[in-house]
Amino acid sequence: KAGVTQTPRYLIKTRGQQVTLSCSPISGHRSVSWYQQTPGQGLQFLFEYFSETQRNKGNFPGRFSGRQFSNSRSEMNVSTLELGDSALYLCASSLWQGVGEKLFFGSGTQLSVL
Amino acid sequence: GENVEQHPSTLSVQEGDSAVIKCTYSDSASNYFPWYKQELGKRPQLIIDIRSNVGEKKDQRIAVTLNKTAKHFSLHITETQPEDSAVYFCAASKDTGNQFYFGTGTSLTVIP
Repeated sequence: KAGVTQTPRYLIKTRGQQVTLSCSPISGHRSVSWYQQTPGQGLQFLFEYFSETQRNKGNFPGRFSGRQFSNSRSEMNVSTLELGDSALYLCASSLWQGVGEKLFFGSGTQLSVL
Repeated sequence: GENVEQHPSTLSVQEGDSAVIKCTYSDSASNYFPWYKQELGKRPQLIIDIRSNVGEKKDQRIAVTLNKTAKHFSLHITETQPEDSAVYFCAASKDTGNQFYFGTGTSLTVIP
């Protein structure tokens, strides 16, 4: 099976612009979640989608939004970019493994805001 | 909400020695505690996990222990090897959707 695919791999934007990141989960996985990874802060939960519905949301401002399509692919949008939004954005699809949900991460999109 | 703290932030050990990474959590409703390993430039991958109804779990050289009363859990790596060098993240979640709270990571260096 193909892994979780994220596009693009790198993005450079300027303050005030908006950006859209894409994530294709592993076939058959219906849950997609997004995390922001920054040095020293670890991975911070943005939101999770299941069957096209946002099921959970982290403590990020409304500039961060997402959606999921009927084929489980997900997009994340960040509007009015700020310098502090520079980070690696990881998408993960998940599968119940009998003990808990196992996250399968993509390679991430490295966003730089200038 | 849940708060997961992880210590130490960096750890260096000699090859063959043991390494221990500790995490604490705040929400007593959390019941699933995975550990992820992220090698340089790569994506995080699950290496071991434990549920709140179990106190210890072992998989070859790695083990995880959980103390529900004290709300802390630890990762133990024995007989460390250079390929164990990576950043390790602990996490906590509840059975209400896939919302994971991660620690800030421990950068482990195994010195040959």
